[in-house]
Amino acid sequence: QITLKESGPTLVKPTQTLTVTCTFSGVSLTTRGVTVDWIRQPPGKALEWLGLIYWDDDKRYSPSLKNRLTITKDTSKNQVILTMTNMDPVDTATYFCVHHRGWTTLADSFDVWSQGTMVTVSS
Amino acid sequence: DIQMTQSPFSLSASVGDRVTITCRASQSISSFLNWYQQKPGKAPKLLIYAASSLQSGVPSRFSGSGSGTDFTLAISSLQPEDFATYYCQQSDRIPFTFGQGTRLEIK
Repeated sequence: QITLKESGPTLVKPTQTLTVTCTFSGVSLTTRGVTVDWIRQPPGKALEWLGLIYWDDDKRYSPSLKNRLTITKDTSKNQVILTMTNMDPVDTATYFCVHHRGWTTLADSFDVWSQGTMVTVSS
Repeated sequence: DIQMTQSPFSLSASVGDRVTITCRASQSISSFLNWYQQKPGKAPKLLIYAASSLQSGVPSRFSGSGSGTDFTLAISSLQPEDFATYYCQQSDRIPFTFGQGTRLEIK
């Protein structure tokens, strides 16, 4: 059974850097095909994909946020870390880390989600 | 980016009704289309993947169809626990994109 859980601040100030850590179990990021994504959801709004990291440390980012995002992994701790620079109030959202299954297949989908962590950007 | 457009934006229905939600992609995505259900304060839950495959543990009253640019999620007989917001999502190419959501409410 795969589980994921984030940890990080609930409040950041504008211009600061957000760091959220996703700790997971039931899967290893050293296994071929394993992928973890980050998705966010502003209050009352739709889901927005941010980026992903593959088992081989390759990464992909949303073009609209690429300059501000970094996703890294610590395989020894089964963790994936999201870093977003220059935070703005519009970045206020619930941030989810997600297991992304089915790499290169039609089953490509987000099958296990974390509970989400609400991050507010305010001075 | 591939734009995903859902309709309707919101829908009122009664327990026992059959409802359908549509999702249109701005370009062909073959069958790389997934559906999620989200309840207030909770993470989304995968219902349907590859346009028409039922995720394990999801009741059979949920079904998906379509390919190319036009897709449909159907719920055959609404149950009280089905009132939620539904999102489609394309997994054909990065950046992965979601529809704006369809809120299903009790009439």
